[in-house]
Amino acid sequence: GDSVTQMEGPVTLSEEAFLTINCTYTATGYPSLFWYVQYPGEGLQLLLKATKADDKGSNKGFEATYRKETTSFHLEKGSVQVSDSAVYFCALSDRDSSASKIIFGSGTRLSIRP
Amino acid sequence: DAGVTQSPTHLIKTRGQQVTLRCSPKSGHDTVSWYQQALGQGPQFIFQYYEEEERQRGNFPDRFSGHQFPNYSSELNVNALLLGDSALYLCASSRTGTGVVTEQFFGPGTRLTVL
Repeated sequence: GDSVTQMEGPVTLSEEAFLTINCTYTATGYPSLFWYVQYPGEGLQLLLKATKADDKGSNKGFEATYRKETTSFHLEKGSVQVSDSAVYFCALSDRDSSASKIIFGSGTRLSIRP
Repeated sequence: DAGVTQSPTHLIKTRGQQVTLRCSPKSGHDTVSWYQQALGQGPQFIFQYYEEEERQRGNFPDRFSGHQFPNYSSELNVNALLLGDSALYLCASSRTGTGVVTEQFFGPGTRLTVL
């Protein structure tokens, strides 16, 4: 079945460092891809998404490009802030299904040092 | 707009008991999905409700059941609780229009502890 594999954490960086969190997927169709973020004590929030190959999703300085050839959707940010400390989930859903369940990776905990 | 709300926030039960969790979707949404998030893991899809019927189900036993009401709110019921059912239960709402489900918005979750 469809699945998502993402970089294990925790990841600890200093403020203003460059961030990459790797994510690869396995899917039989042409999924939509997502990055969700879960801040401490809060619910899941959609950070960005891409619905077809070569699309780039972006939000709050974060970017990810849908790479069909490498089945990847790596999350990047050029300069992280302490406020970016959270758990990040890569996820996919079946774009062609009217009942699009979301399949999540196991999450990557990110901690940013001042 | 209140967003997705869930109740209760926390719940403690003992093995063998039954539990009911509740979810109110975001205004304008008609579809509710439930997910289980074990500690340190990503959320796992339990099932989705639309038009008061279960539309899709994940790999969860029949002990997990649900309901959707005419006002689109939903309940998740778990019978014969096991220790392994301890988790954060997330509700997500979305709008199904022209057969395509739009973005899912998540609630804060209900933390269930089974002793």
